[in-house]
Amino acid sequence: ELKVEQNPLFLSMQEGKNYTIYCNYSTTSDRLYWYRQDPGKSLESLFVLLSNGAVKQEGRLMASLDTKARLSTLHITAAVHDLSATYFCAVDMRGTYKYIFGTGTRLKVLA
Amino acid sequence: DAGVIQSPRHEVTEMGQEVTLRCKPISGHNSLFWYRQTMMRGLELLIYFNNNVPIDDSGMPEDRFSAKMPNASFSTLKIQPSEPRDSAVYFCASSFGGLMNTEAFFGQGTRLTVV
Repeated sequence: ELKVEQNPLFLSMQEGKNYTIYCNYSTTSDRLYWYRQDPGKSLESLFVLLSNGAVKQEGRLMASLDTKARLSTLHITAAVHDLSATYFCAVDMRGTYKYIFGTGTRLKVLA
Repeated sequence: DAGVIQSPRHEVTEMGQEVTLRCKPISGHNSLFWYRQTMMRGLELLIYFNNNVPIDDSGMPEDRFSAKMPNASFSTLKIQPSEPRDSAVYFCASSFGGLMNTEAFFGQGTRLTVV
């Protein structure tokens, strides 16, 4: 069974600080996705990581993938209040089209 | 494209009633997913279809839940009879499943309250 775990589950940080969210998964997969969800809203795709060593950056967010370690990171640089949201990683099992989501990390950036 | 469209956005029903949730995926996508989101259990994959065929329904919690995809542009998730513990936000998502698999795009969700 594919399991996807994120840590931390909750993160409260000051504006201007850096932090990293981790996503570990339990089975072979070459593709990993990061999503953002604002309260009461749907999930919005942030990054698609399609191979080992892939790195994507958008603004203050940078995502990377290490398929050998089965680990992805979402790094936040100089956080701002607008980044407050819940962040999910998702993995699709090799050979299927089935997306399994992590537990989510609820990020709160304090002004 | 308008994205994934779900209806209704909100549904309040009494215990024991039948509930039908609807989803129109993005045109050209061939995979469709139904997820349920609650505080306690997070995002759970209920069922997914590929080319209108149910591939994996192992996440469907009970026989009270059923899903259909009669064609490439429409899917339903039915709960009969509904129970208060079914209260959750139900998301439909679609993707292009294949060698160049895309990320899943989500609808706005249906917030279901069973009283």
